[in-house]
Amino acid sequence: AQSVTQPDIHITVSEGASLELRCNYSYGATPYLFWYVQSPGQGLQLLLKYFSGDTLVQGIKGFEAEFKRSQSSFNLRKPSVHWSDAAEYFCAQAGTALIFGKGTTLSVSS
Amino acid sequence: SQTIHQWPATLVQPVGSPLSLECTVEGTSNPNLYWYRQAAGRGLQLLFYSVGIGQISSEVPQNLSASRPQDRQFILSSKKLLLSDSGFYLCAWSGSWAGSGYTFGSGTRLTVV
Repeated sequence: AQSVTQPDIHITVSEGASLELRCNYSYGATPYLFWYVQSPGQGLQLLLKYFSGDTLVQGIKGFEAEFKRSQSSFNLRKPSVHWSDAAEYFCAQAGTALIFGKGTTLSVSS
Repeated sequence: SQTIHQWPATLVQPVGSPLSLECTVEGTSNPNLYWYRQAAGRGLQLLFYSVGIGQISSEVPQNLSASRPQDRQFILSSKKLLLSDSGFYLCAWSGSWAGSGYTFGSGTRLTVV
């Protein structure tokens, strides 16, 4: 069955430091992959998506993600984290519907 | 442009009471529609999806049901709420292509007391 794994439940990063959130998918030779962000009590905002082509995808708010087929991974990165980036991040894969990982909560320390 | 509306934003209901959450989409036709539930620490769980009027697929057996009476309207219902139905409910729409963008509503916070 299709599944998405986010191994890190909670990550704390210092403001200005780099960030990498991990995501592994389990299904499909050509997966459709997404990263969403959710602020407390809010809906989901799309950060970026990957369908095919260049394996390094640029998104909004300075985020990028790299698709690695050999590792079944789609990790999210940001070179310098801002306090406003504190939120919950979800990786997802499209099939008949969007299947989500359990999310990673990002805290930013000053 | 396409927009998705979901209401109410918050709801407190007693155990055993009925539930009706509504979601509507504007600016597109024949969208795929989805209901998700987010419980604390459990990520987003797909509850129902629909690819057309009157067509509903259920992903998780439970005391919830969904209906799609119009092309751009998706309703989540329950005849008798349980405490375990508490959570954050999100409606979403997408195009028919698996890789098309999914747009989410702002959510309904349901507390069953």
